[in-house]
Amino acid sequence: GAVVSQHPSRVICKSGTSVKIECRSLDFQATTMFWYRQFPKQSLMLMATSNEGSKATYEQGVEKDKFLINHASLTLSTLTVTSAHPEDSSFYICSAVSGGNQETQYFGPGTRLLVL
Amino acid sequence: AQTVTQSQPEMSVQEAETVTLSCTYDTSESNYYLFWYKQPPSRQMILVIRQEAYKQQNATENRFSVNFQKAAKSFSLKISDSQLGDTAMYFCAFMKYSAGNMLTFGGGTRLMVKP
Repeated sequence: GAVVSQHPSRVICKSGTSVKIECRSLDFQATTMFWYRQFPKQSLMLMATSNEGSKATYEQGVEKDKFLINHASLTLSTLTVTSAHPEDSSFYICSAVSGGNQETQYFGPGTRLLVL
Repeated sequence: AQTVTQSQPEMSVQEAETVTLSCTYDTSESNYYLFWYKQPPSRQMILVIRQEAYKQQNATENRFSVNFQKAAKSFSLKISDSQLGDTAMYFCAFMKYSAGNMLTFGGGTRLMVKP
């Protein structure tokens, strides 16, 4: 149980385009989802917290207009990188928390984004 | 704000031996959770073990156990009978009860298990 999927696993796009990444909780309802960014050989950096039906809460320094987060249902959150630039290239990971097990985050497999 | 420190960027251990990964944290909270997550080369984050701060008994999960020293704010992970599949990045993480489930991660320790 507690499986989280992400799609796509890898994406290459041209500079200036937008990319959408999906995060789904497959076998539980996720009251809260988180989006992280991870640079090579570094730890996870929290970008934003997403609660179903409400606006995401962004961490300091994260541009909300660039990284659009939508949590439209209890099983799906999306991260859209708008007008992507090469510096946005990174590994993006989502995680989800279920209503019945609030203290454990279950992570998706991650999405590698490369902006050319 | 909470901080989590992993002082060992890299470690190695021979297969079948035991290794301990260190983690210290700083907080003024009295109620919180501590976690160890594993990130293998596939980069999938996997929960290894979890400890509630109010529990004095150290958590164990098969070959994985922790040494939780609340007063010292220390939370080390011991891996017994190391296996090649234990090769991964290991992240220590902190969550306070009232934080909306937010995790604060340490910088990670890269563990290499050698045959």
